[in-house]
Amino acid sequence: EIVLTQSPATLSLSPGERATLSCRASQSVSSYLAWYQQKPGQAPRLLIYDASNRATGIPARFSGSGSGTDFTLTISSLEPEDFAVYYCQQRSNWLFTFGPGTKVDIK
Amino acid sequence: QVQLQESGPGLVKPSETLSLTCTVSGGSISSYYWSWIRQPPGKGLEWIGYIYYSGSTNYNPSLKSRVTISVDTSKNQFSLKLSSVTAADTAVYYCARVGYSGYPKYYYYYYMDVWGKGTTVTVSS
Repeated sequence: EIVLTQSPATLSLSPGERATLSCRASQSVSSYLAWYQQKPGQAPRLLIYDASNRATGIPARFSGSGSGTDFTLTISSLEPEDFAVYYCQQRSNWLFTFGPGTKVDIK
Repeated sequence: QVQLQESGPGLVKPSETLSLTCTVSGGSISSYYWSWIRQPPGKGLEWIGYIYYSGSTNYNPSLKSRVTISVDTSKNQFSLKLSSVTAADTAVYYCARVGYSGYPKYYYYYYMDVWGKGTTVTVSS
């Protein structure tokens, strides 16, 4: 089973600042990595798939990069609605796993 | 666009079986994989299992002995059964569609592109 590790656990930033979130896989997942945003009381929302492709309707300030075992989600300039928890996720051998999440909160 | 809606009892007694249904609207259940994911209070996301519209399944090894996922294509629904529940199974349960990459050369299904709003299930006597 591939384990996903996310860092940091919490990121405290101000609106307008740049957020950089990391996801590391215990084995290569090629580029098959997705990112989700979850706000309190809501279902997760797909942000990024294939490591760098934005899902439909996702603003351009969200970008993803990486391949193999190291991936990054970047929010170029935080908007008030971006303060949330972010999860990465992969599938290997038909088993799906999520990372533990990074909470982006207001400084 | 495709929408998913979970339904089922919000309260289940310990040792009993949790049963939930996900209804797919705005599109066909065919040609996709469909998953169940849960989230205990204050914790992260845990994948439970998936089903293909044809009926093939796979489950999280940590839950495999207690989980059954089934599909009813005539009703555009898929369902989750989790047996012998305990308080540790208390969670928000989500259903989701599994999206794919690689088209048209191949189909690699792996990310959840459509989610239901989730339903809270509490295990308590």
